Amino acid sequence: DTAVSQTPKYLVTQMGNDKSIKCEQNLGHDTMYWYKQDSKKFLKIMFSYNNKELIINETVPNRFSPKSPDKAHLNLHINSLELGDSAVYFCASSLRAAGAQYFGPGTRLLVL
Amino acid sequence: RKEVEQDPGPFNVPEGATVAFNCTYSNSASQSFFWYRQDCRKEPKLLMSVYSSGNEDGRFTAQLNRASQYISLLIRDSKLSDSATYLCAVNRGGTYKYIFGTGTRLKVLA
Repeated sequence: DTAVSQTPKYLVTQMGNDKSIKCEQNLGHDTMYWYKQDSKKFLKIMFSYNNKELIINETVPNRFSPKSPDKAHLNLHINSLELGDSAVYFCASSLRAAGAQYFGPGTRLLVL
Repeated sequence: RKEVEQDPGPFNVPEGATVAFNCTYSNSASQSFFWYRQDCRKEPKLLMSVYSSGNEDGRFTAQLNRASQYISLLIRDSKLSDSATYLCAVNRGGTYKYIFGTGTRLKVLA
């Protein structure tokens, strides 16, 4: 049983398109996150959600809109994709604030 | 200065060697600390949380030095399978925000 799952694993799309990435965790955690890992492998937090509520939005362009329908799911919708959005996006969850995080397998996004 | 810093390496060590990495952090309000392992094209996987008193898990030992604001990871008896990038993560004062280092690459050579 995969603890944190993401779909799709790969996403290749044209500039200007809109795309979504889905994330689900079956760990019973209250908190979920989105991270971006760029080509230099730097892992940067984008959003934190606790019990479906947005807690942190790390100066991410508003083309990125997370949505948490329930505490087990956190989806990421990206509008008007740009070349610079190409990266690996990881979803993660933790039991509580400041707890250990568990990551999904990542979604490799390539914008052409 | 970055909030969390790591030596990017690579650290090339022979099998069986002992290797240690440090990770320095600048925010003294940091409270929780973690080491993750990331293999190429994979997700970061939790290796261990770092406790104030230090902790050990098999061949891996993690230490926290609050006075000098760094955490360390010691790997004894290195195996080929330990080759990976090791990321440290620091959480600011019980918040939902984690800062990751850029990782230290380890290559264990046969």
